[in-house]
Amino acid sequence: QVQLVQSGAEVKKSGASVKVSCKASGYPVINYALHWVRQVPGQGLEWMGWMNIGDGDTKYSENLQGRVAFTWDLSANTVYMELSSLKSEDTAIYYCAREGGSWSPDYMDVWGQGTTVNVSS
Amino acid sequence: IQLTQSPSSLSASVGDRVTITCRASQAIGSYLAWYQQTPGKAPKLLIFAASTLQGGVSSRFSGSGSGTDFSLTISSLQPEDFATYFCHQLQSYPVTFGQGTRLEIK
Repeated sequence: QVQLVQSGAEVKKSGASVKVSCKASGYPVINYALHWVRQVPGQGLEWMGWMNIGDGDTKYSENLQGRVAFTWDLSANTVYMELSSLKSEDTAIYYCAREGGSWSPDYMDVWGQGTTVNVSS
Repeated sequence: IQLTQSPSSLSASVGDRVTITCRASQAIGSYLAWYQQTPGKAPKLLIFAASTLQGGVSSRFSGSGSGTDFSLTISSLQPEDFATYFCHQLQSYPVTFGQGTRLEIK
């Protein structure tokens, strides 16, 4: 069964960093690109960035440029999103989502369950 | 590219036919997807390429449009369809989402 399983909820102080994991099962994570999307509860979806492990390419939202980084561990079939210099407005649910289709950008066909990150001052 | 959905919220009854629209700030061809999100859950892909139904999704969902104007139609609402719906443009980076349409039971 193809699925993405994310790490658990995090509570962080302003200025700290958070690292969220996204473990793929049912397929090799290198075979598909991945997006990261976040959502303030009750609000819309904000695209954070994209990674293609196959060629090592990444794209980041201009809003987060310099604070966000994507990494991966092929042996664990897992990707990671690290967000630094946290602010209260970074409080949100963070999702990883697999990119389907055969080009990029493309639709997101498999989503992780979400990781809640709460940033307090 | 900005996406504007309308309405922002909608009340309807089981069995109703409803249509949600999504307008792009510039032409995006057919590079549009629709997602359904229920409370506490991740979004679920319904439609991609504006009108292609994702595998396993009920045929009561349909999508249409191209260029700047798109729509999602649910032919006969079922209880499990009451959720929030988002459109998503994948014509170019940065990809963007509509603000969402909340579909509530009347």
